[in-house]
Amino acid sequence: DAGITQSPRHKVTETGTPVTLRCHQTENHRYMYWYRQDPGHGLRLIHYSYGVKDTDKGEVSDGYSVSRSKTEDFLLTLESATSSQTSVYFCATKISNEQFFGPGTRLTVL
Amino acid sequence: GENVEQHPSTLSVQEGDSAVIKCTYSDSASNYFPWYKQELGKRPQLIIDIRSNVGEKKDQRIAVTLNKTAKHFSLHITETQPEDSAVYFCAASPFNDYKLSFGAGTTVTVRA
Repeated sequence: DAGITQSPRHKVTETGTPVTLRCHQTENHRYMYWYRQDPGHGLRLIHYSYGVKDTDKGEVSDGYSVSRSKTEDFLLTLESATSSQTSVYFCATKISNEQFFGPGTRLTVL
Repeated sequence: GENVEQHPSTLSVQEGDSAVIKCTYSDSASNYFPWYKQELGKRPQLIIDIRSNVGEKKDQRIAVTLNKTAKHFSLHITETQPEDSAVYFCAASPFNDYKLSFGAGTTVTVRA
């Protein structure tokens, strides 16, 4: 599993509240990614990081921000959660070309 | 950016038969094409990948073929077994790009 953990694994929150999801890796990988997975859409990239404090937007970045202050941690923040952000969120790291995924976080926004 | 389309969205096969999933990509610069398998409630995991310098790659019962001219690639599963039931995703990436673009996924059901 490339030493990737995500927390929390499940979260239910209300519209308008801030939410932060954490991805932690123990292998010192440079690249980290946040995806969301929704039926019929596959895996869509939200944000990615290519080093400490180096991040960039993916295809569905609106409403999300990220931070990476340490190599091992990549945080995804929903500043004001909306029902359209109900999804399963996967973090990933990259070794050579292969991406390894974390176990996922199921987020429900009521 | 890269756009990957995947067909079919669902596939039901009899145990022992073959399954084929097809993907097309838009960016001619893409040269890395992985396939991921995701079992119910689990994380996606890489099962096979191919680079643009080869046309076919096999690993036991699974194989991937690539047609660069037509910009499409396919996953072939032979002698399907119940444990092959899962969602399969194709993806594409240009050389030295950090990012993968994924297809929408194919739900494969193997009937006993």
